[in-house]
Amino acid sequence: DIQMTQSPSSLSASAGDRVTITCRASQSISTFLNWYQQQPGKAPKLLIYAASSLQSGVPSRFSGSGSGTDFTLTISSLQPEDFATYHCQQSYSSPLTFGQGTRLEIK
Amino acid sequence: EVQLVESGGGLVQPGGSLRLSCAASGFTFSRYWMHWVRQAPGKGLVWVSRIKSDGSSTTDADSVKGRFTISRDNAKNTLYLQMNSLRAEDTAVYYCARAPYCTSTSCHLNTFEIWGQGTTVTVSS
Repeated sequence: DIQMTQSPSSLSASAGDRVTITCRASQSISTFLNWYQQQPGKAPKLLIYAASSLQSGVPSRFSGSGSGTDFTLTISSLQPEDFATYHCQQSYSSPLTFGQGTRLEIK
Repeated sequence: EVQLVESGGGLVQPGGSLRLSCAASGFTFSRYWMHWVRQAPGKGLVWVSRIKSDGSSTTDADSVKGRFTISRDNAKNTLYLQMNSLRAEDTAVYYCARAPYCTSTSCHLNTFEIWGQGTTVTVSS
Protein backbone atom coordinates (compact mmCIF):
# COMPACT_ATOMS: atom_id res chain seq x y z
CA ASP A 1 0.00 0.00 0.00
CA ILE A 2 1.11 3.57 -0.68
CA GLN A 3 1.43 5.56 2.54
CA MET A 4 0.64 9.26 2.49
CA THR A 5 2.17 11.52 5.12
CA GLN A 6 1.04 15.09 5.63
CA SER A 7 2.86 17.80 7.49
CA PRO A 8 2.20 19.54 9.67
CA SER A 9 -0.62 17.69 11.45
CA SER A 10 -1.94 21.02 12.68
CA LEU A 11 -1.23 24.60 11.89
CA SER A 12 -2.26 27.93 13.41
CA ALA A 13 -2.47 30.94 11.13
CA SER A 14 -4.22 34.27 10.74
CA ALA A 15 -6.53 35.57 8.06
CA GLY A 16 -4.45 36.93 5.21
CA ASP A 17 -1.53 34.58 5.83
CA ARG A 18 0.01 32.41 3.13
CA VAL A 19 -0.04 28.76 4.17
CA THR A 20 1.60 25.67 2.72
CA ILE A 21 0.74 22.06 3.56
CA THR A 22 2.95 19.21 2.44
CA CYS A 23 2.06 15.65 1.46
CA ARG A 24 4.62 12.92 0.84
CA ALA A 25 3.97 9.55 -0.78
CA SER A 26 5.88 6.41 0.15
CA GLN A 27 6.56 5.76 -3.54
CA SER A 28 6.25 7.71 -6.76
CA ILE A 29 2.65 8.47 -7.75
CA SER A 30 3.40 10.79 -10.69
CA THR A 31 0.75 13.52 -10.37
CA PHE A 32 -2.04 11.25 -9.09
CA LEU A 33 -2.63 13.39 -6.04
CA ASN A 34 -5.80 15.12 -4.86
CA TRP A 35 -6.53 17.60 -2.07
CA TYR A 36 -9.78 17.89 -0.12
CA GLN A 37 -11.09 20.39 2.42
CA GLN A 38 -13.34 19.24 5.25
CA GLN A 39 -15.28 21.53 7.55
CA PRO A 40 -16.28 20.11 10.97
CA GLY A 41 -19.26 17.80 10.68
CA LYS A 42 -19.35 18.08 6.90
CA ALA A 43 -18.35 15.93 3.96
CA PRO A 44 -15.01 16.59 2.28
CA LYS A 45 -14.87 18.84 -0.76
CA LEU A 46 -12.51 18.37 -3.71
CA LEU A 47 -10.14 21.32 -4.11
CA ILE A 48 -7.29 20.16 -6.35
CA TYR A 49 -6.99 17.08 -8.56
CA ALA A 50 -4.06 15.70 -10.53
CA ALA A 51 -1.71 17.57 -8.20
CA SER A 52 -2.28 21.04 -9.66
CA SER A 53 -5.68 21.26 -11.38
CA LEU A 54 -8.15 23.52 -9.60
CA GLN A 55 -11.60 21.99 -9.26
CA SER A 56 -14.38 24.06 -10.77
CA GLY A 57 -15.75 26.64 -8.36
CA VAL A 58 -12.76 26.56 -6.01
CA PRO A 59 -11.20 29.99 -5.36
CA SER A 60 -7.92 30.72 -7.10
CA ARG A 61 -6.16 31.35 -3.79
CA PHE A 62 -5.84 27.57 -3.59
CA SER A 63 -3.07 25.99 -5.62
CA GLY A 64 -1.29 22.66 -5.75
CA SER A 65 2.08 21.54 -7.00
CA GLY A 66 4.43 18.59 -7.04
CA SER A 67 5.04 15.26 -8.70
CA GLY A 68 6.61 11.96 -7.83
CA THR A 69 6.56 11.76 -4.04
CA ASP A 70 6.38 15.35 -2.81
CA PHE A 71 3.37 17.63 -3.09
CA THR A 72 2.18 20.93 -1.66
CA LEU A 73 -1.12 22.71 -1.18
CA THR A 74 -0.82 26.47 -0.88
CA ILE A 75 -3.47 28.95 0.23
CA SER A 76 -2.22 32.35 -0.85
CA SER A 77 -4.27 34.53 1.51
CA LEU A 78 -6.30 32.80 4.18
CA GLN A 79 -9.95 33.65 4.42
CA PRO A 80 -12.12 32.91 7.50
CA GLU A 81 -13.89 30.07 5.67
CA ASP A 82 -10.57 28.32 4.97
CA PHE A 83 -10.08 27.21 8.56
CA ALA A 84 -10.75 23.50 8.18
CA THR A 85 -9.00 20.15 7.86
CA TYR A 86 -7.17 19.35 4.64
CA HIS A 87 -6.59 15.84 3.32
CA CYS A 88 -4.36 14.61 0.53
CA GLN A 89 -5.21 11.40 -1.36
CA GLN A 90 -3.30 9.32 -3.88
CA SER A 91 -5.32 8.12 -6.87
CA TYR A 92 -2.43 6.18 -8.42
CA SER A 93 -3.26 2.68 -7.26
CA SER A 94 -5.58 0.64 -5.06
CA PRO A 95 -5.99 0.70 -2.20
CA LEU A 96 -6.59 4.42 -2.51
CA THR A 97 -5.07 6.10 0.52
CA PHE A 98 -5.28 9.41 2.33
CA GLY A 99 -2.92 11.40 4.47
CA GLN A 100 -3.80 11.75 8.13
CA GLY A 101 -5.10 15.28 7.64
CA THR A 102 -3.88 18.77 8.50
CA ARG A 103 -6.02 20.84 10.81
CA LEU A 104 -5.77 24.54 10.02
CA GLU A 105 -6.77 26.66 13.00
CA ILE A 106 -7.19 30.33 13.65
CA LYS A 107 -4.27 31.88 15.53
CA GLU B 1 -28.54 19.95 -8.71
CA VAL B 2 -26.06 17.11 -8.45
CA GLN B 3 -26.74 15.29 -5.21
CA LEU B 4 -25.88 12.11 -3.32
CA VAL B 5 -27.93 11.15 -0.29
CA GLU B 6 -26.88 8.26 1.94
CA SER B 7 -29.20 6.29 4.22
CA GLY B 8 -29.30 3.04 6.15
CA GLY B 9 -26.87 3.76 8.95
CA GLY B 10 -27.60 2.96 12.56
CA LEU B 11 -26.61 1.00 15.64
CA VAL B 12 -25.82 -2.68 15.10
CA GLN B 13 -24.29 -5.37 17.29
CA PRO B 14 -20.92 -6.91 16.48
CA GLY B 15 -21.40 -9.65 13.91
CA GLY B 16 -24.51 -8.01 12.54
CA SER B 17 -25.34 -6.63 9.10
CA LEU B 18 -26.46 -3.37 7.55
CA ARG B 19 -27.11 -2.19 4.03
CA LEU B 20 -26.28 1.37 3.15
CA SER B 21 -27.87 3.15 0.21
CA CYS B 22 -26.80 6.20 -1.73
CA ALA B 23 -29.45 7.85 -3.89
CA ALA B 24 -28.08 9.87 -6.79
CA SER B 25 -29.83 12.71 -8.58
CA GLY B 26 -29.02 15.53 -10.97
CA PHE B 27 -26.72 13.52 -13.22
CA THR B 28 -26.66 10.37 -15.36
CA PHE B 29 -25.74 7.91 -12.64
CA SER B 30 -24.94 5.03 -15.01
CA ARG B 31 -22.00 6.93 -16.53
CA TYR B 32 -19.98 7.32 -13.36
CA TRP B 33 -17.73 5.17 -11.21
CA MET B 34 -18.73 5.33 -7.55
CA HIS B 35 -16.93 4.83 -4.25
CA TRP B 36 -17.54 4.40 -0.55
CA VAL B 37 -15.23 6.21 1.90
CA ARG B 38 -15.47 6.09 5.68
CA GLN B 39 -14.26 8.16 8.60
CA ALA B 40 -14.08 6.84 12.15
CA PRO B 41 -14.79 9.36 14.92
CA GLY B 42 -11.93 11.85 15.14
CA LYS B 43 -9.91 9.99 12.52
CA GLY B 44 -8.92 10.40 8.90
CA LEU B 45 -10.59 9.31 5.70
CA VAL B 46 -10.36 5.69 4.57
CA TRP B 47 -11.36 4.40 1.15
CA VAL B 48 -13.61 1.32 1.33
CA SER B 49 -14.82 0.18 -2.09
CA ARG B 50 -15.17 1.17 -5.74
CA ILE B 51 -17.54 0.07 -8.52
CA LYS B 52 -17.38 0.60 -12.25
CA SER B 53 -20.12 2.60 -13.96
CA ASP B 54 -21.89 -0.49 -15.33
CA GLY B 55 -21.34 -2.51 -12.15
CA SER B 56 -19.17 -5.10 -13.88
CA SER B 57 -16.09 -4.56 -11.75
CA THR B 58 -15.50 -3.83 -8.07
CA THR B 59 -12.48 -3.32 -5.82
CA ASP B 60 -12.42 -3.41 -2.03
CA ALA B 61 -10.00 -2.44 0.69
CA ASP B 62 -8.41 -5.42 2.43
CA SER B 63 -10.03 -4.43 5.72
CA VAL B 64 -13.52 -5.12 4.32
CA LYS B 65 -12.82 -7.77 1.72
CA GLY B 66 -15.13 -10.76 2.14
CA ARG B 67 -17.41 -8.83 4.52
CA PHE B 68 -18.62 -5.81 2.53
CA THR B 69 -20.11 -5.83 -0.96
CA ILE B 70 -20.54 -2.77 -3.13
CA SER B 71 -23.25 -2.85 -5.79
CA ARG B 72 -25.44 -0.51 -7.80
CA ASP B 73 -28.81 -0.37 -9.50
CA ASN B 74 -28.50 2.02 -12.42
CA ALA B 75 -32.23 1.82 -13.10
CA LYS B 76 -32.86 3.16 -9.59
CA ASN B 77 -29.88 5.55 -9.55
CA THR B 78 -28.74 3.98 -6.32
CA LEU B 79 -25.44 2.73 -4.92
CA TYR B 80 -25.33 0.17 -2.12
CA LEU B 81 -22.92 -1.15 0.48
CA GLN B 82 -23.89 -4.44 2.07
CA MET B 83 -21.96 -4.79 5.31
CA ASN B 84 -21.81 -8.18 7.03
CA SER B 85 -19.86 -9.51 10.02
CA LEU B 86 -19.56 -5.99 11.38
CA ARG B 87 -16.85 -5.18 13.90
CA ALA B 88 -16.37 -2.35 16.36
CA GLU B 89 -13.65 -0.94 14.12
CA ASP B 90 -16.22 -0.49 11.33
CA THR B 91 -17.83 2.29 13.37
CA ALA B 92 -17.63 5.39 11.19
CA VAL B 93 -19.43 7.90 9.04
CA TYR B 94 -19.81 6.34 5.61
CA TYR B 95 -19.75 8.59 2.57
CA CYS B 96 -20.59 7.71 -0.99
CA ALA B 97 -18.60 9.63 -3.56
CA ARG B 98 -18.75 10.05 -7.31
CA ALA B 99 -15.71 10.06 -9.56
CA PRO B 100 -15.45 12.62 -12.36
CA TYR B 101 -16.74 11.69 -15.81
CA CYS B 102 -14.12 9.89 -17.81
CA THR B 103 -13.39 11.31 -21.27
CA SER B 104 -10.76 10.54 -23.88
CA THR B 105 -8.64 13.43 -22.61
CA SER B 106 -9.34 13.35 -18.89
CA CYS B 107 -9.97 10.34 -16.71
CA HIS B 108 -9.70 10.46 -12.92
CA LEU B 109 -11.69 7.45 -11.79
CA ASN B 110 -10.06 7.38 -8.36
CA THR B 111 -10.85 10.99 -7.52
CA PHE B 112 -13.83 11.85 -5.31
CA GLU B 113 -15.52 14.76 -7.04
CA ILE B 114 -18.97 14.75 -5.41
CA TRP B 115 -19.71 13.53 -1.87
CA GLY B 116 -22.86 12.69 0.00
CA GLN B 117 -23.54 14.05 3.48
CA GLY B 118 -22.67 10.73 5.12
CA THR B 119 -24.52 8.16 7.22
CA THR B 120 -23.32 7.00 10.63
CA VAL B 121 -22.72 3.35 11.43
CA THR B 122 -22.12 2.37 15.05
CA VAL B 123 -21.12 -1.19 15.88
CA SER B 124 -21.53 -1.84 19.57
CA SER B 125 -23.16 -4.24 21.99
